[in-house]
Amino acid sequence: QVQLQESGPGLVKPSETLSLTCTVSGGSVNSGDYYWSWIRQPPGKALEWIGYVYYTGTMNYNPSLKSRVTISVDTSKNQFSLSLTSVTAADTAIYYCARVKRNFWTGYYIPWWFDPWGQGALVTVSS
Amino acid sequence: QSVLTQPPSVSAAPGQKVTISCSGSSSTIGSNYVSWYHQLPGTAPKLLIYDNNKRPSGIPDRFSGSKSGTSATLGITGLQTGDEADYYCGTWDSSLNVWVFGGGTKLTVL
Repeated sequence: QVQLQESGPGLVKPSETLSLTCTVSGGSVNSGDYYWSWIRQPPGKALEWIGYVYYTGTMNYNPSLKSRVTISVDTSKNQFSLSLTSVTAADTAIYYCARVKRNFWTGYYIPWWFDPWGQGALVTVSS
Repeated sequence: QSVLTQPPSVSAAPGQKVTISCSGSSSTIGSNYVSWYHQLPGTAPKLLIYDNNKRPSGIPDRFSGSKSGTSATLGITGLQTGDEADYYCGTWDSSLNVWVFGGGTKLTVL
């Protein structure tokens, strides 16, 4: 049974970089059937997709965050990571990592569904 | 404002049935499969429905999904107090090349 666990600082200062790691157990990030994704949820608000990475290093990001986001994968450690630069209070959220089924549809591969999810990591941006 | 539109809240009595709608467009629900997630208070979201109407192992058949045109619907029968949660729909946006979630619907079992 695949499990995901987020880790990283719970407090980040404004203008600095938020960094989180997701450790995958019970499965491999090398699996060709899946993307590995980050999603966030500001307190009391809806889910927001941040982006995903494939084991080959291919990434896709939400355009609203693209200029500040990097998602990378470390196959040797079975982990993938999120980096979000120049954070502000608006980036305060619970950050989730998730495995994403990848499927070939209308000519190219796209995300299909998200399962499982990590338990989430609350990151607060404050001085 | 979410690309997928859900009612902010729905409610029903225990044992009753409720439906939650998810409205999109030709480039979202109209072109792609829909998945649903539920989020119990203080916990991470969990996959509830995928491929519009399929249930992962362990999800009871009280939960069902359907899709018609640019809208999708989640149905829950035999409501239980333990079903109180936030429910989110999600799909791919073929025009923007992004994954989108609905704004979420809070289910209250009265």
